[in-house]
Amino acid sequence: QVQLQQWGAGLLKPSETLSLTCAVYGGSFSGYYWSWIRQPPGKGLEWIGEINHSGSTNYNPSLKSRVTISVDTSKNQFSLKLSSVTAADTAVYYCARERITMVRGVIIRTYSFDYWGQGTLVTVSS
Amino acid sequence: DIQMTQSPSTLSASVGDRVTITCRASQSISSWLAWYQQKPGKAPKLLIYKASSLESGVPSRFSGSGSGTEFTLTISSLQPDDFATYYCQHRSTFGPGTKVDIK
Repeated sequence: QVQLQQWGAGLLKPSETLSLTCAVYGGSFSGYYWSWIRQPPGKGLEWIGEINHSGSTNYNPSLKSRVTISVDTSKNQFSLKLSSVTAADTAVYYCARERITMVRGVIIRTYSFDYWGQGTLVTVSS
Repeated sequence: DIQMTQSPSTLSASVGDRVTITCRASQSISSWLAWYQQKPGKAPKLLIYKASSLESGVPSRFSGSGSGTEFTLTISSLQPDDFATYYCQHRSTFGPGTKVDIK
């Protein structure tokens, strides 16, 4: 059974850097894209970015200048750093795995997320 | 950028009702649409991917349809466990959500 377990600091001051890590247990780490998604309190979901096992990344253009997602394949972990945080970055942050399908032995991306971490509330306050 | 909208934003229904939620994309997205259910304090749960493919373990009362710009999520007979917020998603963009509450 695949499990994503995430951790990181929950209280930051403005201008600090948010840092979260997600560990993947069970299943394969390679062959998938791994994402970070956030949800401000009482609001909807916002995709932050993704990485695959090779380190190839894609970021939300609205956050790209402040986001870095990295991967440690030796530990089956990936991490998020978001710099220069403000109160607007207060949210529950989730890590998630993209669902894939196999067609005649070829991996096909579905651009949907089938496994999620438990979520980490990050509050930015002075 | 592609924008996703959902209607209604809130839906009041009773157990046993047939419920339909609509998601529209600002331009054609083929069948690259997913649906999620989220309950308070929990991570979203994938229900449907590629517009109409039921995720493993999801009850068959959930179904998805549509392609291009208009999509629907249908719950054939609403159960007590289904009261939640539902989101559609295309790649990097989520819809604003539809809250299904008790009538």
